[in-house]
Amino acid sequence: DVKVTQSSRYLVKRTGEKVFLECVQDMDHENMFWYRQDPGLGLRLIYFSYDVKMKEKGDIPEGYSVSREKKERFSLILESASTNQTSMYLCASSEGINSPLHFGNGTRLTVT
Amino acid sequence: EDQVTQSPEALRLQEGESSSLNCSYTVSGLRGLFWYRQDPGKGPEFLFTLYSAGEEKEKERLKATLTKKESFLHITAPKPEDSATYLCAVGRGSNYKLTFGKGTLLTVNP
Repeated sequence: DVKVTQSSRYLVKRTGEKVFLECVQDMDHENMFWYRQDPGLGLRLIYFSYDVKMKEKGDIPEGYSVSREKKERFSLILESASTNQTSMYLCASSEGINSPLHFGNGTRLTVT
Repeated sequence: EDQVTQSPEALRLQEGESSSLNCSYTVSGLRGLFWYRQDPGKGPEFLFTLYSAGEEKEKERLKATLTKKESFLHITAPKPEDSATYLCAVGRGSNYKLTFGKGTLLTVNP
């Protein structure tokens, strides 16, 4: 079974801090994704990467950046955390464009 | 712009009471429609992919169908363990992005 591991289940950070959310997948998948999930808004794509060297913005990239130095690891960076970035963050990976996404269990981030 | 609308927002069933969840979509060049199940505190878990109108897929008590405008997730004789949020998503053409609906919260009472 594919395993997508997010390093933290819960994080509490202060406004203005730089925050790193880490994600590792163990199935040699090419594609990795970061979504955020908010009540009433559903899942929204922040960034994705379809190759170690390629990163693309999703629907809501403002205030975020990403890093993918190794195929199995995809990090989401909040450059200067703000309270409106309080959310559940979900990492996912997939083998190909028509392959299903495999999600981690999420990181619930609270910015105070 | 791709749009996915799921209905109802919430559904409460008695154990054994069959029903259907709806996913209406607008997308130019559908490459796949995906169903996921999400339990509280966990990430979504993949259920089905449907690629073209008329296609059907089954897994235990679940059956997914697809038309050109919507997909249904039929739940036959549900059990309490089927309680979860069910998410629908669509992919378009060669775009890697999936657009998700807001989900249907299903509660099955014993």
